[in-house]
Amino acid sequence: DAGVIQSPRHEVTEMGQEVTLRCKPISGHDYLFWYRQTMMRGLELLIYFNNNVPIDDSGMPEDRFSAKMPNASFSTLKIQPSEPRDSAVYFCASNFRTGGADTQYFGPGTRLTVL
Amino acid sequence: SQKIEQNSEALNIQEGKTATLTCNYTNYSPAYLQWYRQDPGRGPVFLLLIRENEKEKRKERLKVTFDTTLKQSLFHITASQPADSATYLCALRDTGRRALTFGSGTRLQVQP
Repeated sequence: DAGVIQSPRHEVTEMGQEVTLRCKPISGHDYLFWYRQTMMRGLELLIYFNNNVPIDDSGMPEDRFSAKMPNASFSTLKIQPSEPRDSAVYFCASNFRTGGADTQYFGPGTRLTVL
Repeated sequence: SQKIEQNSEALNIQEGKTATLTCNYTNYSPAYLQWYRQDPGRGPVFLLLIRENEKEKRKERLKVTFDTTLKQSLFHITASQPADSATYLCALRDTGRRALTFGSGTRLQVQP
């Protein structure tokens, strides 16, 4: 298996622009998570899906952020408009909940820089 | 308020020694706790899981303890090697919530 795939790996954009991050989870996994990692705040959960349905979006910082999962093999995280404080590494993770465990498999991340 | 605390200062040890990392939590009732390893420029990788009713778990050179009275988990790497140098994150799942919450991580540096 290729693991969780994220694109792009790096994104540099200007303040005010729309940014779309993409994730392909591991085949067969029914949970998908979006995280943001910064030096100041560590790894924060933004939103997670179960069977393509958003379950908890309480970590989404504000209305500028939105996430979708149109099918089991694809999810997007969109920021519109982007701001410099959105600069961070964004990770996607997936898992399959057997026995209630939550071992998560992370993608390589997208490093976002907003100028 | 809820907190997960890991030592933010890097831990430097000599090769062959045992590294011990600490994870303390406040105002959580964790169903279980996990440890992840993160290398620079990469996503975290799962290492070990320990449930609330378990005291200790081992995997090769790794050992995790979980004390729900002290609200603390210790992560040990025995016979440490330079290749063990990385940031180690603890994560817990609160019984009232389905998602994981991560600590900020401790960077381990093993000197040859």
